[in-house]
Parts: sequence; structure tokens; C-alpha cells
Amino acid sequence: AQKVTQAQTEISVVEKEDVTLDCVYETRDTTYYLFWYKQPPSGELVFLIRRNSFDEQNEISGRYSWNFQKSTSSFNFTITASQVVDSAVYFCALSGLNSGGYQKVTFGTGTKLQVIP
Amino acid sequence: ETGVTQTPRHLVMGMTNKKSLKCEQHLGHNAMYWYKQSAKKPLELMFVYSLEERVENNSVPSRFSPECPNSSHLFLHLHTLQPEDSALYLCASSRTAWEKETQYFGPGTRLLVL
Repeated sequence: AQKVTQAQTEISVVEKEDVTLDCVYETRDTTYYLFWYKQPPSGELVFLIRRNSFDEQNEISGRYSWNFQKSTSSFNFTITASQVVDSAVYFCALSGLNSGGYQKVTFGTGTKLQVIP
Repeated sequence: ETGVTQTPRHLVMGMTNKKSLKCEQHLGHNAMYWYKQSAKKPLELMFVYSLEERVENNSVPSRFSPECPNSSHLFLHLHTLQPEDSALYLCASSRTAWEKETQYFGPGTRLLVL
């Protein structure tokens, strides 16, 4: 069975601080994919990144960076120099295959980030 | 329009009403999904369609009835709902239904059942 744990329910930081959102996953699959999504108050989940289980290279995109550590089953997300517009709920997700051979995505419970001006 | 759209954005209905949620994707994708997002709970996958065929039905009560007339449109027909069905209903699409695909979400329909 798949499981995604986002232990941080809510985080508050002051603008320009760096913040790391933790994600720990469990799966028996050898091939799987990890995702991060952002959900602003408007409701839509916005795709941020996808990594596959064979690619442990860290990735940086502007102020965002992701640290994938297969040894600890973690896929953490860091925002550098946070801004008020970063305030949202962030979801980590794990994708594998269900018994029918189709995609099965398991989402974490989300981390609500509040950036205070 | 681009991406995934959902209508209506907000819906209030009584327990005896019948209503439908609509989702349309403009991405040329072949898989579509319905999710339920309740407060304090993870997103719950409800239904998966691949090439207009339902391939996943996640033990959803029969008062929710999906319909996928073509690969661009997905409906969720609602009847005799309960107050605990109040939630944000999100539609998503992906290029295919394989595990490597990224799902793209619509803005959701916020449903309140009185």
C-alpha cells in the first residue's frame, strides 16, 4: 500500500525567510513518481514538480528547490526567500500502479504555509 | 479557454435535489478523474476514466454517478446527497492513465448539502 506523510500541518514564516516542507512516503513499487502541488485559496491544485524514482538529482527552479532522498524515502520542498504569494496549502503526492495497471495517486494531507509580511 | 475548467464553481443543494457537476479539459488528454476534498482529510480519488472507459471506482456511494461522454468532458451526477457530502470536488486530467503522468486540476466545485 502507498502512503504519504506530511507531518507539518501548518507553518508560519516571516517574508524572506527560507522554509522547508517535509514529505515522507512509503511504497513497495520499484518504479514510482513523486509530485508537489500548490493549492492557493482559490482551490485549484497547481502542479509544481514531478520526479521519478530513478532520478535522485536535486532540482532548483527559481526560489523553489526539491531534495529527493531515496534512502530515507523523503522528497522535501524548500522555498527560499519566501513571499506572501507563496501562502497556500502544499501537497506531496506519490504515483504508482493499481491492480488494474492504471495510475494510483496517493496525496498527503497537505501543509498550510502562511507567509507573514 | 485553457487547462481544466469546472462548472459551477459553487453549488448549494438540498438532500432531495438532483444536480450535475461538469468538467472540461482543453489539453488533449485521454484520462480524467474526480476527487473529493473534505476539510482535514487527504484528497480522495472517486473515479478514473481512461479513453471514456471507467477504470476505477473507489467504493463511492451510488448517489454519485459519473459520466464521460468523450475524452474532453466529465460529469458527476448527484442525487439524494447527505450533508457529509459537502466538500470541494476536483476534476483532473492527464495525458494517459499510466503512473508517470502528471495530473492537471481544475478549480473545483465547492458543494454544500443542506
